[in-house]
Amino acid sequence: DGGITQSPKYLFRKEGQNVTLSCEQNLNHDAMYWYRQDPGQGLRLIYYSQIVNDFQKGDIAEGYSVSREKKESFPLTVTSAQKNPTAFYLCASSWNSNEKLFFGSGTQLSVL
Amino acid sequence: AQSVTQPDIHITVSEGASLELRCNYSYGATPYLFWYVQSPGQGLQLLLKYFSGDTLVQGIKGFEAEFKRSQSSFNLRKPSVHWSDAAEYFCAVVLSGAGSYQLTFGKGTKLSVIP
Repeated sequence: DGGITQSPKYLFRKEGQNVTLSCEQNLNHDAMYWYRQDPGQGLRLIYYSQIVNDFQKGDIAEGYSVSREKKESFPLTVTSAQKNPTAFYLCASSWNSNEKLFFGSGTQLSVL
Repeated sequence: AQSVTQPDIHITVSEGASLELRCNYSYGATPYLFWYVQSPGQGLQLLLKYFSGDTLVQGIKGFEAEFKRSQSSFNLRKPSVHWSDAAEYFCAVVLSGAGSYQLTFGKGTKLSVIP
């Protein structure tokens, strides 16, 4: 089945630790996105990538990093610089930056 | 600055009753408009979208939305709610011609359905 797979479903981070959230898509989409969702806050864009080996900061990129070495993959690293990482993280993709988004099922990140 | 407002944080309706979820936007030009639905612990699924043309758009699961330029609104409606419609609903807006990375989401409306 085609779709977007995020893993793990739940993730815990210790103080000062970097953690990486996985996002893989087999839809042959060029564009991929990472959103952070906090209760009552809607979705906020962290990073996006319109093409392999290129990505841009979104509205809340501080404390996060990404890579786009393959079309199918867009991992997000939550670094120790992100002081409030507890949130639900959503990955999305689209054919290009003008098309509708397809979302993964999310990763809930919590701090130990 | 562009913004999207969903005035109702939480709405409760009885099963079989009609539903209207409100969405207002502030843009200087005609936007592209979307409604997404999110079940607990899941990603978002597109219900419907408006780009141009007929201002009443039909979506999946029996939902419809009407674009009213004069009111800067794009309210979501369903004539008869089912228990499975309980979820959180997000309105999203982007300027026509802009990229999806410029989507602005509302803060969401949580829908509860009473049997």
